[in-house]
Amino acid sequence: GAGVSQSPSNKVTEKGKDVELRCDPISGHTALYWYRQSLGQGLEFLIYFQGNSAPDKSGLPSDRFSAERTGGSVSTLTIQRTQQEDSAVYLCASSLAGGKVIDTQYFGPGTRLTVL
Amino acid sequence: AQSVTQLGSHVSVSEGALVLLRCNYSSSVPPYLFWYVQYPNQGLQLLLKYTSAATLVKGINGFEAEFKKSETSFHLTKPSAHMSDAAEYFCAVSDLGGNKLTFGGGTRVLVKP
Repeated sequence: GAGVSQSPSNKVTEKGKDVELRCDPISGHTALYWYRQSLGQGLEFLIYFQGNSAPDKSGLPSDRFSAERTGGSVSTLTIQRTQQEDSAVYLCASSLAGGKVIDTQYFGPGTRLTVL
Repeated sequence: AQSVTQLGSHVSVSEGALVLLRCNYSSSVPPYLFWYVQYPNQGLQLLLKYTSAATLVKGINGFEAEFKKSETSFHLTKPSAHMSDAAEYFCAVSDLGGNKLTFGGGTRVLVKP
């Protein structure tokens, strides 16, 4: 079946602009995760959604970052007033139920964000 | 707080030779451990995971890893490298709920013919 998809695959923006990154999880997966992969910081957890529960935002680096998940499916990660240090690959993952260690997180191909 | 250390950011092996990628973790509670592989311009793919069952875990593509609590290690091995194994490999540990993965810095594997 279809895997996790992300759009756009590449995004170039100017410093100070807002960007939106989209993630479509695997159908039926209730848990959704965002991670960031950058040269300086490696792979970092950003935020986690599980069903209708309040998201775990503990990994968001600043209040310029926010995310929402509509209808328990598609998620959008928004970065306001982008800075050059936001340049990274943003990875989305989903899992069947979340909260269970045996659940595998399936990753999308990522969105490469470049802030000029 | 949990952490993962991968020794060696780059490893070069000859085709047919043993692949050994090292991972050590730090966790105050029994951990759940994972190895992921990332091919160029692709997302992460799960190779294998340890969830407190057997300490020797077999994964896809001929990879396996052994959990050693006394050494706080979860090293990844493959007896015979193939050209298609060239990729970046990440070791990760999850929180108790399995919701947040903490990744190591990654090891890029180069396979020489």
